Amino acid sequence: DIVMTQSPDSLAVSLGERATINCKSSQSVLYSVDNKNYLGWYQQKPGQPPKLLIYWASTREFGVPDRFSGSGSGTDFTLTISSLQAEDVAVYYCQQYYERVSTFGQGTKVEIK
Amino acid sequence: QLQLQESGPGLVKPSEAVSLTCTVSGGSLTTTSYSWAWIRQSPGQGLEWIGSIYDSGTAYYNPSFKSRVTMSVDTSKNYFSLKFSSVIAADTATYYCARHDARQRYCSINICYFNWFDPWGPGTLVTVSS
Repeated sequence: DIVMTQSPDSLAVSLGERATINCKSSQSVLYSVDNKNYLGWYQQKPGQPPKLLIYWASTREFGVPDRFSGSGSGTDFTLTISSLQAEDVAVYYCQQYYERVSTFGQGTKVEIK
Repeated sequence: QLQLQESGPGLVKPSEAVSLTCTVSGGSLTTTSYSWAWIRQSPGQGLEWIGSIYDSGTAYYNPSFKSRVTMSVDTSKNYFSLKFSSVIAADTATYYCARHDARQRYCSINICYFNWFDPWGPGTLVTVSS
């Protein structure tokens, strides 16, 4: 299975500041035929299920604020929150769906400094 | 708006069989573009995909669980289920059901590729303890 490793495990950011979360896959999730990266990002708030934020590494799900953006290709990806809001406190997960067995990163906890 | 709701036994004993159900509302299970998935979350193992099933009843499992789980679907009642043949303490987790996007992915009787999970149900906690 592809191993997804996120960094850092947690970070504290001041309100209005940028938060950056990294995700690295043990093998490339870029499919050369369609040039798509088979990677998604989720947000999980306390007591709630994960919520899809981004798919194809950089496409925002409908209704997701544009302060959330995804970037990267191949094995290295980033989720950026451009201006952290109080409601963004959560754990964020990356997921690869390149292989038939989808796997998730261990999560990154984002808090307010 | 599509909504999913899990139900389960809560507390079970080791070696018991366990069944979980996911009831879908606001939409139909009958679709070729999506399958219906179970995912679990535990402090030790994080998020793990268990398996996904189509409305036809064809199911695809994570090999890590294949020998112990069976999925089924009832399209007339709009629900799908997960059954563990025998649970152990390590199966203690919150179990989520979710819609599993399958658009533009290869799928055959033996192997199927999927995309992301969206939406998810709120989850049900299963605790395995004697």
